[in-house]
Amino acid sequence: NAGVMQNPRHLVRRRGQEARLRCSPVKGHSHVYWYRQLPEEGLKFMVYLQKENIIDESGMPKERFSAEFPKEGPSILRIQQVVRGDSAAYFCASSPLTGSSYNEQFFGPGTRLTVL
Amino acid sequence: DAKTTQPNSMESNEEEPVHLPCNHSTISGTDYIHWYRQLPSQGPEYVIHGLTSNVNNRMASLAIAEDRKSSTLILHRATLRDAAVYYCILTNSGYALNFGKGTSLLVTP
Repeated sequence: NAGVMQNPRHLVRRRGQEARLRCSPVKGHSHVYWYRQLPEEGLKFMVYLQKENIIDESGMPKERFSAEFPKEGPSILRIQQVVRGDSAAYFCASSPLTGSSYNEQFFGPGTRLTVL
Repeated sequence: DAKTTQPNSMESNEEEPVHLPCNHSTISGTDYIHWYRQLPSQGPEYVIHGLTSNVNNRMASLAIAEDRKSSTLILHRATLRDAAVYYCILTNSGYALNFGKGTSLLVTP
């Protein structure tokens, strides 16, 4: 069984360009979460999505960042007009749909974004 | 979410038990206690979670103080593959995990 897959693993962008990060959850998982890890810091929650719905985007910067999880295909985290401060590792996690109020999250290997 | 405090680093010998402490004196009644670990250049890996009672799984045990103001992750026999950064995280949402600096565990043969 494949785990969470993220691509690309490394992404270099110049200031002002767009960055698109992709996440394929574990097969059968319907919940996706995105996290950002800035240098020398711990991961911080950004957004929680289910298929075609944003459930909680309280950790997402208000501008330039957006996320989607379409009915078909991977989840996408999009960063428009990147700035140097966006350089970080972006992790995606997924969890299954269960009746529990808590679901273990399975993390991908991350995408390391470098903005020049 | 309430704040947690963990030692920056700990060291253990291989095949010895390891007790990783976490203080969370401002924990609320609905906060779950989660432990994840992260190996270099990898995504975090779930270890264990609990609310009030002690928990055991194949990876570790979680001992929660009666007043819930602290908890301890117990690795019963450390192996070299257990060397990682261990994060103690509180959340009442069930999903929004915010990681602190964690404890870097060094395991020596």
